[in-house]
Amino acid sequence: EEQLVQSGGGLVQPGGSLRLSCAASGFSLSDSWMYWVRQAPGKGLEWVAWMNQDGREKAFVASVKGRFTVSRDDAENYLFLQMSSLRVEDTAVYYCARGHSGYPRRGYFDIWGQGVLVTVSS
Amino acid sequence: DVQMTQSPSDLSASVGDRVTITCRSSHPISDYLNWYQQKPGQAPKLLIHSASTLQGGVPSRFSGSGSVRDFTLTISSLQPEDFATYYCQQHYNTPPTTFGQGTRLEI
Repeated sequence: EEQLVQSGGGLVQPGGSLRLSCAASGFSLSDSWMYWVRQAPGKGLEWVAWMNQDGREKAFVASVKGRFTVSRDDAENYLFLQMSSLRVEDTAVYYCARGHSGYPRRGYFDIWGQGVLVTVSS
Repeated sequence: DVQMTQSPSDLSASVGDRVTITCRSSHPISDYLNWYQQKPGQAPKLLIHSASTLQGGVPSRFSGSGSVRDFTLTISSLQPEDFATYYCQQHYNTPPTTFGQGTRLEI
């Protein structure tokens, strides 16, 4: 079964850092476009970041550029979101998701992690 | 950035009803439009991609249509498990990929 299992959420103070993990099983991350999407409490979905199959193409929503990075451990089949200089407005449930990887890239997310809550508060 | 606007934001309906949710993009996006269903406390679930292609395992009462700027998600006969929030998403002019604000479908 193809699935994503997330870990790493929690409470962090403003200005702090946190790393989220996303473990893939049933498929290889190195074959997939992978995405991070977040949802602030009671709000809608917001794309945060993506990474392509070879790891060379990454993109971030403007509000997190320079503060968040995305990386991968191909040996363990893990995806990571490293978040630093966290702000109160980064408080959200963060999801990792697998994106369509064909051509043209349709960008739909067919497998989602369960989500982890990141709370930025003093 | 491409802005996605869904209507209505809230929708009340009954089991057995036919309901339609619309999504409009601020710029043309061809058919690079996807629909998701989200229930409270759960991750979103892909229903339809590429405007009208039903994702595997999704009941056939769900359908999608549209192109360029105007899109619709239709549920032909509402079932109790369909009461949820629905989101559209464009992936044509990226980054960023953007979502609509959501439509909450309630009894």
